[in-house]
Amino acid sequence: DAKTTQPPSMDCAEGRAANLPCNHSTISGNEYVYWYRQIHSQGPQYIIHGLKNNETNEMASLIITEDRKSSTLILPHATLRDTAVYYCIVRLRSGNTGKLIFGQGTTLQVKP
Amino acid sequence: GAVVSQHPSWVICKSGTSVKIECRSLDFQATTMFWYRQFPKQSLMLMATSNEGSKATYEQGVEKDKFLINHASLTLSTLTVTSAHPEDSSFYICSASPANYNEQFFGPGTRLTVL
Repeated sequence: DAKTTQPPSMDCAEGRAANLPCNHSTISGNEYVYWYRQIHSQGPQYIIHGLKNNETNEMASLIITEDRKSSTLILPHATLRDTAVYYCIVRLRSGNTGKLIFGQGTTLQVKP
Repeated sequence: GAVVSQHPSWVICKSGTSVKIECRSLDFQATTMFWYRQFPKQSLMLMATSNEGSKATYEQGVEKDKFLINHASLTLSTLTVTSAHPEDSSFYICSASPANYNEQFFGPGTRLTVL
């Protein structure tokens, strides 16, 4: 699986959009970009995933560049409850048995 | 969404004892489950892949005789930390996924403290 690079930390004002970048320059054509987050002392939570098209769900939007070497997770209206560590993971979409390898992630601090 | 539970949520034990942690898929069957370990201020580290009805697959550097994994049914995997020592104190998390899903669902984690 390709390696990802994320900034270690970011701040965001409550109510504003949070844009979390991720670099995955070695991604291969059949690898997907997944985003999870982990609120302190809890298990990680799935947010969104995509291959090459932009994706949106009730939690967030995922913007993937045309060359697929980077992506941005967007939380449109961040709240204090969005404070968490956000992990960008690249892996083959191998169904429900594919393992996840976590990097260091980005600690997002949403401030009032 | 799919729900994964863990029991206990926290445990304190004496050095040298063994501790069993359960991971259950509550509303789906899981032929594969994953076990992770997380030390304070660090990321999750994959320990092993638990396969129902067969032996677990351990990641490099993880001692299979120390971390015993049993996946005896389609809804339950157990991780037993044998002869626990203070350095085994950590946050242990499992994950699983229903068939036809591509995302993993994580349990709430079990915090192990070895005195």
